[in-house]
Amino acid sequence: EVHLLESGGNLVQSGGSLRLSCAASGFTFSSSGMTWLRQGPGKGPEWVSTISGSDSDGGTFYADSVKGRFIISRDNSKNTLYLRMDNLRVEDTAVYYCAKALYKWNPFDQWGQGTLVTVSS
Amino acid sequence: EKVMTQSPATLSVSPGERATLSCRAGQSVNSKLAWYQQQPGQAPRLLIYDVSTRATGVPARFSGSGSGTEFTLTISSLQSEDSAVYYCQEYNNWPVTFGQGTKVEIK
Repeated sequence: EVHLLESGGNLVQSGGSLRLSCAASGFTFSSSGMTWLRQGPGKGPEWVSTISGSDSDGGTFYADSVKGRFIISRDNSKNTLYLRMDNLRVEDTAVYYCAKALYKWNPFDQWGQGTLVTVSS
Repeated sequence: EKVMTQSPATLSVSPGERATLSCRAGQSVNSKLAWYQQQPGQAPRLLIYDVSTRATGVPARFSGSGSGTEFTLTISSLQSEDSAVYYCQEYNNWPVTFGQGTKVEIK
């Protein structure tokens, strides 16, 4: 059974930093494209960033809203996905989910339960 | 512009009746269209991908259709556990985009 468990969410002041982690199990993590998405209060999901699996070119992709501030990475030896978030803004407040891709990068067939990031002014 | 527009915002349907949800893309998505179900306090769950393929374990009462820029999710006989918010998502290219959701209520 696929299991994704996010951690690292917290209350942080505007301009601060956080690192989110997503521990994966139940599938071949190294070859799976992995994604971070977020969902603000009362809003639909928003794609944040994707990293390719090892059988691809290892590419990374970012939403314009986080480009230059967030960095996605993975440690295949630990089956863990990361999201380093710097220069956080109030509008980054959301539940952050990690998700596994059904195909190379999309769609998202397994999601974690989410971790809450709150950015205060 | 990559915009996914869902309608209606809220749909109230009696148990056993059909529910029809719509999703319109701002440009062609080349059949790269998925539907997700989100129940309160839970993560979204993949229901349909590639317009009409049901994900593993999804009941047959859920079906997807459409082409080009117009897509539909149909719940053929609404059950109480289908009360949720439903999102469409296109994944034709980056950035992938979600609709704003349709809330399905049991009448």
